[in-house]
Amino acid sequence: AQSVTQLDSQVPVFEEAPVELRCNYSSSVSVYLFWYVQYPNQGLQLLLKYLSGSTLVKGINGFEAEFNKSQTSFHLRKPSVHISDTAEYFCAVRHKAAGNKLTFGGGTRVLVKP
Amino acid sequence: NAGVTQTPKFQVLKTGQSMTLQCAQDMNHNSMYWYRQDPGMGLRLIYYSASEGTTDKGEVPNGYNVSRLNKREFSLRLESAAPSQTSVYFCASSSTDHTEAFFGQGTRLTVV
Repeated sequence: AQSVTQLDSQVPVFEEAPVELRCNYSSSVSVYLFWYVQYPNQGLQLLLKYLSGSTLVKGINGFEAEFNKSQTSFHLRKPSVHISDTAEYFCAVRHKAAGNKLTFGGGTRVLVKP
Repeated sequence: NAGVTQTPKFQVLKTGQSMTLQCAQDMNHNSMYWYRQDPGMGLRLIYYSASEGTTDKGEVPNGYNVSRLNKREFSLRLESAAPSQTSVYFCASSSTDHTEAFFGQGTRLTVV
């Protein structure tokens, strides 16, 4: 069974500072990788996804993530955060072979301080 | 474009009561899912439906049933609610290539 680990449950960060959210997954076979963002009292919105090709993926709102197959990681980064980036971020994995099931990590809550 | 619509948005139940959470999508997606979200545990899959007429158990199916009424609608039923089912429930859908899942706004359920 696939599993997803987000190593940090909370990340406080000052406005305009960089942030990195870590994600590791267990699968040894081909996967699709996703980062979703959840703003307070809202549903989940896709930030970015890795399907194939370039290992550096750019998403919305200035976020990017790098797929590292050897380390089974998909860390999310933003060089300069804004107050509006305060939200919870979820890493998710789907097996290409399994098709339907999307497995989520436990989430990382980012609090941007002025 | 409505996307994925869930009803109700909030619900309080007494232990032992039953209820059905409704979900509908207007994107002509084949696959639909029900997740529950609990603090620190991310989203856990309850049930999913790969296509109209099929349903399969996810990670935490106990205490729930589902119905894929047609291609648009996928409902989640709690037959006898328990306090452990207090959670936020999300419905999602995706197309056949499964490259992205679209989520509803969630239903916040409290069982007292």
